[in-house]
Amino acid sequence: DAGVIQSPRHEVTEMGQEVTLRCKPISGHDYLFWYRQTMMRGLELLIYFNNNVPIDDSGMPEDRFSAKMPNASFSTLKIQPSEPRDSAVYFCASSWDRGGTFNYGYTFGSGTRLTVV
Amino acid sequence: QQQVKQSPQSLIVQKGGISIINCAYENTAFDYFPWYQQFPGKGPALLIAIRPDVSEKKEGRFTISFNKSAKQFSLHIMDSQPGDSATYFCAATTSGGYQKVTFGIGTKLQVIP
Repeated sequence: DAGVIQSPRHEVTEMGQEVTLRCKPISGHDYLFWYRQTMMRGLELLIYFNNNVPIDDSGMPEDRFSAKMPNASFSTLKIQPSEPRDSAVYFCASSWDRGGTFNYGYTFGSGTRLTVV
Repeated sequence: QQQVKQSPQSLIVQKGGISIINCAYENTAFDYFPWYQQFPGKGPALLIAIRPDVSEKKEGRFTISFNKSAKQFSLHIMDSQPGDSATYFCAATTSGGYQKVTFGIGTKLQVIP
């Protein structure tokens, strides 16, 4: 298995532009998470999906952020319009729940380093 | 609101020494405490985890010590190696079905030869 695949690895964009980050979770995993990592705030959960359905988006900082999961093998995180304070590393992770036992050994992707100038 | 406080934020240890990272939590409902290891350019990966019914868990050179009454837990890396240089995150959550994981701020460990 290739693991969780994120693209692009690096993104540099100008303030005000739309940014779309992509994620392919591990096949068979029914949970997908989007995290943001910064030096000041560490790892923050933005949103998570269960069976392609958004369950908790309370971590999404503003309406400028949106996420979708149209099918079990693909998710996007979109920022529109982007701002310099959105600069961070964005991680996608996936995992599974079997019989009410959740696997906290998430598999994280390698992340997308976003720089908004 | 930082529910899991982690210290230090950076740590330099000589090869062969013991690395110690401390964490404290506030929510008494937490009953699962994982540690994640993150190498540069990679996402975090589960390293070791403990439940509060035990005071210590050891896996190779990595040991978690847990003090339920003090609501504190720590990671000890014995015989630290340069390959252990990474950022370490403590975390806390509630077991069973998925519950939100609260991460510490992270500790950047550098092991020097």
